[in-house]
Amino acid sequence: EIVLTQSPDFQSVTPKEKVTITCRASQSIGSNLHWYQQKPDQSPKLLIKYASQSISGVPSRFSGSGSGTDFTLTINSLEAEDAAAYYCHQSRSLPRTFGQGTKLEIK
Amino acid sequence: QVQLVESGGGVVQPGRSLRLSCAASGLTFGSYGMHWVRQAPGKGLEWVAVISYDGSNKYYTDSVKGRFTVSRDNSKNTLYLQMNSLRADDTAVYYCAKDTSYYGDFDYWGQGTLVTVSS
Repeated sequence: EIVLTQSPDFQSVTPKEKVTITCRASQSIGSNLHWYQQKPDQSPKLLIKYASQSISGVPSRFSGSGSGTDFTLTINSLEAEDAAAYYCHQSRSLPRTFGQGTKLEIK
Repeated sequence: QVQLVESGGGVVQPGRSLRLSCAASGLTFGSYGMHWVRQAPGKGLEWVAVISYDGSNKYYTDSVKGRFTVSRDNSKNTLYLQMNSLRADDTAVYYCAKDTSYYGDFDYWGQGTLVTVSS
């Protein structure tokens, strides 16, 4: 099983700040890494696919990078509506796995 | 527009069974693999199971193997999760999610259905 480890687990940030969340895989997964945003009492929503590909309708302040074992989700100029939990997810092999999540709090 | 609507959740005693359904619309259901993902209260996302587009291949996380069965009826555009021998640690919101390809992301999710296992 591929283990995904996110950091940090929690971050308190101010609006307009730049936020970086990392996801490290226990073995190489190429670019088969996707990012989701989950707001309280909502279903997860796809933010970035295949490490760096943007998703239609997702604000351009969200971007992703990385390949192999190390990946990054960047949120430029954070907005209040970005308060949520963020999860990485690998689709390289079964069982599919998720990172433990990163909770962003807006100050 | 694609919609996935789960149903069948509820409160059930340990050791009992429950069947969840996920009704799909707005897509060619029989063309896509489908997954179940769960989330225990206050916890992160946990992948549970996948079924291939035609139902011929299925795979489960270790903790549910032998207890849960995923199936689908493409004529009814519906995904199922039969859950037997339920345990307290199966308590979670269960989401169905649509795959985009074998190595793909989950581009659509249902709203989830809560399963509570308690005596």
